[in-house]
Amino acid sequence: DTGVSQNPRHKITKRGQNVTFRCDPISEHNRLYWYRQTLGQGPEFLTYFQNEAQLEKSRLLSDRFSAERPKGSFSTLEIQRTEQGDSAMYLCASSLPSGIEAFFGQGTRLTVV
Amino acid sequence: DAKTTQPPSMDCAEGRAANLPCNHSTISGNEYVYWYRQIHSQGPQYIIHGLKNNETNEMASLIITEDRKSSTLILPHATLRDTAVYYCIVRVGTGTYKYIFGTGTRLKVLA
Repeated sequence: DTGVSQNPRHKITKRGQNVTFRCDPISEHNRLYWYRQTLGQGPEFLTYFQNEAQLEKSRLLSDRFSAERPKGSFSTLEIQRTEQGDSAMYLCASSLPSGIEAFFGQGTRLTVV
Repeated sequence: DAKTTQPPSMDCAEGRAANLPCNHSTISGNEYVYWYRQIHSQGPQYIIHGLKNNETNEMASLIITEDRKSSTLILPHATLRDTAVYYCIVRVGTGTYKYIFGTGTRLKVLA
């Protein structure tokens, strides 16, 4: 297993366009998390899945953001009508229910121009 | 989850021990102290965690004060590859990994 995989690594989009990111967690990790990180700040929690169920969403996750994990495996994060303020690194992490730690992917860096 | 306070930056000479402090004065009895680090352009990487007792693994040691209001991460022999941002986080022992990251300490290891 090569760890948490995120695609694409970089995305440049024009303001107003929709973008979708994908996260493939470590096999058998039933918990999956999305975080957002802006320059100079620590990651901020966005949402969390246990299997296919989205159990928690941060108030940072506006209605332009939607996350899915349809079969309890990979997850997608979609941002509609992107704004310049959405420019950030989007990080995915996964864990076992009783795991000691969460494993993070390399992130997807979004630039909205 | 309790909040943490860390110095924004520190320098350490290569080969010396790096001691990174963290204040978590509002920590609750069931909250663990976790340390992660983030090397430039990568995702955060787990280092170590603890509840009450001091802990050591192959990467680092974690010293937690008796009142649990502060802790210190020790990298015993810092190398240039340890240059990173180090985050101290407190988390409830069960449940989600909904970490609340602060801005961390930027450690620079000098040759």
